[in-house]
Amino acid sequence: RKEVEQDPGPFNVPEGATVAFNCTYSNSASQSFFWYRQDCRKEPKLLMSVYSSGNEDGRFTAQLNRASQYISLLIRDSKLSDSATYLCVVTADSWGKFQFGAGTQVVVTP
Amino acid sequence: EAGVTQFPSHSVIEKGQTVTLRCDPISGHDNLYWYRRVMGKEIKFLLHFVKESKQDESGMPNNRFLAERTGGTYSTLKVQPAELEDSGVYFCASSPWTSGSYEQYFGPGTRLTVT
Repeated sequence: RKEVEQDPGPFNVPEGATVAFNCTYSNSASQSFFWYRQDCRKEPKLLMSVYSSGNEDGRFTAQLNRASQYISLLIRDSKLSDSATYLCVVTADSWGKFQFGAGTQVVVTP
Repeated sequence: EAGVTQFPSHSVIEKGQTVTLRCDPISGHDNLYWYRRVMGKEIKFLLHFVKESKQDESGMPNNRFLAERTGGTYSTLKVQPAELEDSGVYFCASSPWTSGSYEQYFGPGTRLTVT
């Protein structure tokens, strides 16, 4: 079983629509959680950290469910520029070692 | 503020040759990480430096890989001798660890092809 699992997609989303997807993690001791976005052949870029109480950054909302060991990302009013692969990232230890999911591809269409 | 930089952006070498990758972290970031993505797989951790010390090198595939961070600034990752399975994209990331945040900032990566 992978340590961090994501639905690979693709999620095909009409412009202006809402899309949501989850990520599950296996290590109950994981401490920090992030969503990164990665454009084709580019580096991962931090989208947002995920906090226990849930957090929002503009059109993006992230939630953490420690009991069920999953995090979610919701994108409202999707833009064409939101097309990317979204990487779920979990820290594996107290030194910040990242464990990555394989990514969820989102394609926003006009 | 300059981001994480990596050199070269691409490298094509033959099996058995040596390649050295370089990473310059964001200035003032004590934590430097190396990761690798091989074709079709998720990004995997290789190792972590805190300043010039190796904190964790549990992800290094084997002893053909050698990482250094002399002086606690830039880091190099040498592969010697390279094998076909070493092909992939090598990312470097740095983190300041301010306020207990583990956010990491990634460089553009080095795409290594071993033929």
